[in-house]
Amino acid sequence: GEEVAQTPKHLVRGEGQKAKLYCAPIKGHSYVFWYQQVLKNEFKFLISFQNENVFDETGMPKERFSAKCLPNSPCSLEIQATKLEDSAVYFCASSQVVDTQYFGPGTRLTVL
Amino acid sequence: GQQVMQIPQYQHVQEGEDFTTYCNSSTTLSNIQWYKQRPGGHPVFLIQLVKSGEVKKQKRLTFQFGEAKKNSSLHITATQTTDVGTYFCAGLGTDSWGKLQFGAGTQVVVTP
Repeated sequence: GEEVAQTPKHLVRGEGQKAKLYCAPIKGHSYVFWYQQVLKNEFKFLISFQNENVFDETGMPKERFSAKCLPNSPCSLEIQATKLEDSAVYFCASSQVVDTQYFGPGTRLTVL
Repeated sequence: GQQVMQIPQYQHVQEGEDFTTYCNSSTTLSNIQWYKQRPGGHPVFLIQLVKSGEVKKQKRLTFQFGEAKKNSSLHITATQTTDVGTYFCAGLGTDSWGKLQFGAGTQVVVTP
């Protein structure tokens, strides 16, 4: 597709529940990035992939967060045992080379 | 680690006036990208600056990259109500492999 697609648009979870977010990058883009945007507009880099390989995972809180990009499947970001502070909008972005990134519409996660 | 500071945080502009938002990185950047995010929306790519001292124009928007590749600015002339939104700069470090470091954004409000 010509746009990055993200599902679901909204996700509500009780504290301690699991949350799984999906991202389909633009066709032909090799790189996928996940960012977390909290209420104060701050963007935090989480992880990036080059095709199905992890490219940079320095931003991932590894205890509860995991991510995958498998061939012929949307990429996913999973949060085990969500906490209140995980409430944020999670954006996925894709790029053809490691420069201009195109962002999806985001998934708003609310943890109650 | 690399940090990108952006000022001002808020900009209240009368329609027709000009304004500028500034970004400053603690380290030399490979490139800097600018995004616009409307309320409830996702970051939309505006432009990428790569060369030292580069200046690019898009209609009423002028983007500059400093000679040292550590600072950048976005100047908007004759502001219109359609310019409402938050403008983010995002720096790509020389060794950050695609991980964008976002500034905090400048939230622009335009009064008719």
